[in-house]
Amino acid sequence: DVKVTQSSRYLVKRTGEKVFLECVQDMDHENMFWYRQDPGLGLRLIYFSYDVKMKEKGDIPEGYSVSREKKERFSLILESASTNQTSMYLCASSLDRRTGSTFGSGTRLTVV
Amino acid sequence: AQSVTQPDIHITVSEGASLELRCNYSYGATPYLFWYVQSPGQGLQLLLKYFSGDTLVQGIKGFEAEFKRSQSSFNLRKPSVHWSDAAEYFCAVVRGGGNKLTFGTGTQLKVEL
Repeated sequence: DVKVTQSSRYLVKRTGEKVFLECVQDMDHENMFWYRQDPGLGLRLIYFSYDVKMKEKGDIPEGYSVSREKKERFSLILESASTNQTSMYLCASSLDRRTGSTFGSGTRLTVV
Repeated sequence: AQSVTQPDIHITVSEGASLELRCNYSYGATPYLFWYVQSPGQGLQLLLKYFSGDTLVQGIKGFEAEFKRSQSSFNLRKPSVHWSDAAEYFCAVVRGGGNKLTFGTGTQLKVEL
């Protein structure tokens, strides 16, 4: 089974801090994704990457950046955390468009 | 742009009753469609998928879904619901020629014992 591991389940950070969310997958998938999930809004794509050092903006990239230095690892960076970034963050990876994505367990981030 | 609509925000069913969760999509070509389930505090788990072939697809946990092109629908069904099926269910479609998913806003399922 593909495993997608997110380093933290719960995180509390202060406004203005730089925050790193880490995600690692173990099945050599090319594609990796970061979503945020908010009640009533479903999952919204922040960024995705289709190869090492390659990235594309999703639907809501403002206030975020990403890093993919190795194939198995995809990091989400909040440059200066704000309270409106309090949310559940989900990482996913996929082989191709037919297989669907495998998700991590999520990181619930609270910015105070 | 591709979009996915799940018209029911909450659904309550009794244990043992049948279930149907609705999903409508807007997309020109034959879409790649998925249903995911999310238990409280967890990530999403893939239930089933459709991209071609037989329009009735079987998934895990006894779920099935039927693709109906004429209605732009991909509804999820289960003949007899178990209390452990209480969760949030998301329908999703792959956008364009890439791998990005567009999700519906989800349907929260409550199961009464």
